Amino acid sequence: DTGVSQDPRHKITKRGQNVTFRCDPISEHNRLYWYRQTLGQGPEFLTYFQNEAQLEKSRLLSDRFSAERPKGSFSTLEIQRTEQGDSAMYLCASSASGRAQSEQFFGPGTRLTVL
Amino acid sequence: SQQGEEDPQALSIQEGENATMNCSYKTSINNLQWYRQNSGRGLVHLILIRSNEREKHSGRLRVTLDTSKKSSSLLITASRAADTASYFCATQTSYDKVIFGPGTSLSVIP
Repeated sequence: DTGVSQDPRHKITKRGQNVTFRCDPISEHNRLYWYRQTLGQGPEFLTYFQNEAQLEKSRLLSDRFSAERPKGSFSTLEIQRTEQGDSAMYLCASSASGRAQSEQFFGPGTRLTVL
Repeated sequence: SQQGEEDPQALSIQEGENATMNCSYKTSINNLQWYRQNSGRGLVHLILIRSNEREKHSGRLRVTLDTSKKSSSLLITASRAADTASYFCATQTSYDKVIFGPGTSLSVIP
C-alpha cells in the first residue's frame, strides 16, 4: 500500500454513460497525476495538478475527459459519453512538490470496462 | 510517442538466475526511474537514477545509466518467483512529466 487510494477499483459501464473516478493522494503531496494504461502497455500521461491548479493536459485527454482537484487534496476524473476505446486502467499518482526529482507513488488504479 | 523503450518485451528465467532489462530513450533527461507492476495492480517505484549518476544499487537491484547512449539497464540478481512482474522504465525531463516505456514482462520460474 503506497498511501494513494483510488475509488472505485473496478467500473463496468455501458457506452454513452458518464463515469467519475476519485483519487486520494498522500496527504502531504502537492502534485497529483492521472495516467491511462491499456493491456500490455506502459502508463500514458493524461494530466497533472500542482495543488488545485491543472498545469498540463495531454492530447489524449479529449473534450469528454475532465479532471478536477478543487481543494488541492483529492482529485476526480470524469469521462462523459464513454466509448469502448476508453476501456483501460486509470492510474493516479502523487509526488512531493518542490523537488525536481522525486518518485511518484501510484494508487492501485481503477479498471474501466465500457460495454 | 513514448520516451522509453524496454528490451526485451518478455523474459523468462529460472529462479536464482539474474535478469537484465534494458531501456533506451530519445531525449535528454533529468532522471530515469524503474517501476514494477504486478498483474492488475498499481506501479511500485524501485529506483531512481539521476542524469549525473552512472550506477545505483538497491538490494538485489542494480541500475546503470549511459547518457551518451541514452540507455539504462536494470539487473535483478538471484531472482525469485516473487519478482515475476512487468518492469517499466520511465524518464523525467521536467518537474511535471514522467514518460513510461511499454515495459518488460518478467517470468521467474520456480
